[in-house]
Amino acid sequence: ETGVTQSPTHLIKTRGQQVTLRCSSQSGHNTVSWYQQALGQGPQFIFQYYREEENGRGNFPPRFSGLQFPNYSSELNVNALELDDSALYLCAISPGGPQETQYFGPGTRLLVL
Amino acid sequence: QKEVEQNSGPLSVPEGAIASLNCTYSDRGSQSFFWYRQYSGKSPELIMSIYSNGDKEDGRFTAQLNKASQYVSLLIRDSQPSDSATYLCAVNGVNTGFQKLVFGTGTRLLVSP
Repeated sequence: ETGVTQSPTHLIKTRGQQVTLRCSSQSGHNTVSWYQQALGQGPQFIFQYYREEENGRGNFPPRFSGLQFPNYSSELNVNALELDDSALYLCAISPGGPQETQYFGPGTRLLVL
Repeated sequence: QKEVEQNSGPLSVPEGAIASLNCTYSDRGSQSFFWYRQYSGKSPELIMSIYSNGDKEDGRFTAQLNKASQYVSLLIRDSQPSDSATYLCAVNGVNTGFQKLVFGTGTRLLVSP
């Protein structure tokens, strides 16, 4: 058990809407990364937050944004949803810091209609 | 050329056999390598990490790394039906200050009783 929780577990939205996904860990680790996993694919890195600042970003458009709070919980926000945004969204904590091993939460499955 | 390549499978082995999963990567500067197991509908679970050339053993699992050939493998000895899952190879992209995991598409392993 990673002690990482994500909410909600499942979500259905329509194209053009906005969505907020949440991630928290029992121990309040200061590094969290977000990934998108489309069906049949490996996870793709969206961005990483370290001590409330974006620490690195993958090839995702600006409508994907995030926040990390002082208690180190995190949010992923996606604006103007597109059908291709349908995926499993995973957050991962790095107990050792930004360059260390990542452990995934259970994920949020988003369906965009 | 994909950054991390895996055979999608399925790889079918009988119970008790050795399962051999392979992965190649394109970024010669990559420093850390991971194997994650993902059951259907679940999030990835870390199985092994390896950082140096050679073998690393943990129970029934052995990870092998050959940086000159840009090749990582995972051997599962005494395969069990509960090992049936998708195995994701992940490589730490070469960046400064944060760990960005680049995943393959995964190899589906089926262990038959």
